[in-house]
Amino acid sequence: DADVTQTPRNRITKTGKRIMLECSQTKGHDRMYWYRQDPGLGLQLIYYSFDVKDINKGEISDGYSVSRQAQAKFSLSLESAIPNQTALYFCATSGTSDEQFFGPGTRLTVL
Amino acid sequence: AQSVTQPDIHITVSEGASLELRCNYSYGATPYLFWYVQSPGQGLQLLLKYFSGDTLVQGIKGFEAEFKRSQSSFNLRKPSVHWSDAAEYFCAVGAGDDKIIFGKGTRLHILP
Repeated sequence: DADVTQTPRNRITKTGKRIMLECSQTKGHDRMYWYRQDPGLGLQLIYYSFDVKDINKGEISDGYSVSRQAQAKFSLSLESAIPNQTALYFCATSGTSDEQFFGPGTRLTVL
Repeated sequence: AQSVTQPDIHITVSEGASLELRCNYSYGATPYLFWYVQSPGQGLQLLLKYFSGDTLVQGIKGFEAEFKRSQSSFNLRKPSVHWSDAAEYFCAVGAGDDKIIFGKGTRLHILP
């Protein structure tokens, strides 16, 4: 089984809808991250969490919110989706080193 | 502020040829440096990392990278590429606060 899983893997939605992307990990890591990837822009950090009670904004948090329901679960929500949020979204975890382990990604399309 | 520059957006090499992907970073202290690979439709996989010690780092799939402090570089190399190496490659620097800053990526194309 994969160490970091993301659901759904693909999602198409309409402008204005609320969307939740979920991430689960079995690595026992405290740190979890949400990134978005756009062609030619690399990965941009949306939110990160160092434990269940710690949530921090990244570079591009506007329009997004997160919930750390447990050590193993970190969800990303788009409160009111807009077309420029169409992107590939990755969840990642890390332990005691800076090395991060990535999930397979969620491809989100907002029409 | 920390930053990572990958000067080449696309690189094309012939199968069997050598490869070097460039990466320059900006960071005030000794950096943690990473190379990740992303195959089409996949997440990112760590190729190798540098934390300290030997400046020539060996990774998976036959890749290596050399940390050159004087040049603020961490270039990725492979002596002979295979068609399966076609992917996007990301250099990253540990920002010292448990975050990683990624470069914009270099897409590698392999000619048969």
